[in-house]
Amino acid sequence: DTAVSQTPKYLVTQMGNDKSIKCEQNLGHDTMYWYKQDSKKFLKIMFSYNNKELIINETVPNRFSPKSPDKAHLNLHINSLELGDSAVYFCASSQDGGQGAETQYFGPGTRLLVL
Amino acid sequence: AQSVTQLGSHVSVSEGALVLLRCNYSSSVPPYLFWYVQYPNQGLQLLLKYTTGATLVKGINGFEAEFKKSETSFHLTKPSAHMSDAAEYFCAVSDRRTGGFKTIFGAGTRLFVKA
Repeated sequence: DTAVSQTPKYLVTQMGNDKSIKCEQNLGHDTMYWYKQDSKKFLKIMFSYNNKELIINETVPNRFSPKSPDKAHLNLHINSLELGDSAVYFCASSQDGGQGAETQYFGPGTRLLVL
Repeated sequence: AQSVTQLGSHVSVSEGALVLLRCNYSSSVPPYLFWYVQYPNQGLQLLLKYTTGATLVKGINGFEAEFKKSETSFHLTKPSAHMSDAAEYFCAVSDRRTGGFKTIFGAGTRLFVKA
């Protein structure tokens, strides 16, 4: 069983389109995250959710809107895609983000290419 | 503010040689420190972490790291490199104040292992 899964694995789209990436974790964790990894492998937190509530929004453009329908799911919707959005997006989860010592479990990533 | 610096974006070793990947951190409160590994086209997975207690931490696949507060370092070592160790390695820091919601990752070090 995959602990943290993401769909789709690859996403190729045109500038200006709207797209969604889905994430599901079956670990029973309370906290979920979205990270963006650029072409130089730099990993940056975008959003953190705890028990479906937004905790961290790291100066991400309003075009990015996360949605957490329940604790096991955290989806990412992106409006009006731009060339600079091309990256690998990782979903992750942890038991409880509040303490800081928790291990994060990462999904396999979604490779987004905007043409 | 927290920060992580990984010295060397690329490290190349011969199979059987010592692996040393360097990480220095900055944190105004006691840190929690992590090493994650990313194999090609995969998500990150935890190698080891330091939270409290013993400063020498052992992880999976024969890796270990030592927390040195005086040097603000958390270098990763392995006595004998294996071809399968070739991957991207990320050092990360969080703390009780910000929690894991805002884990900061270093820029990564790519490890090459030569036969």
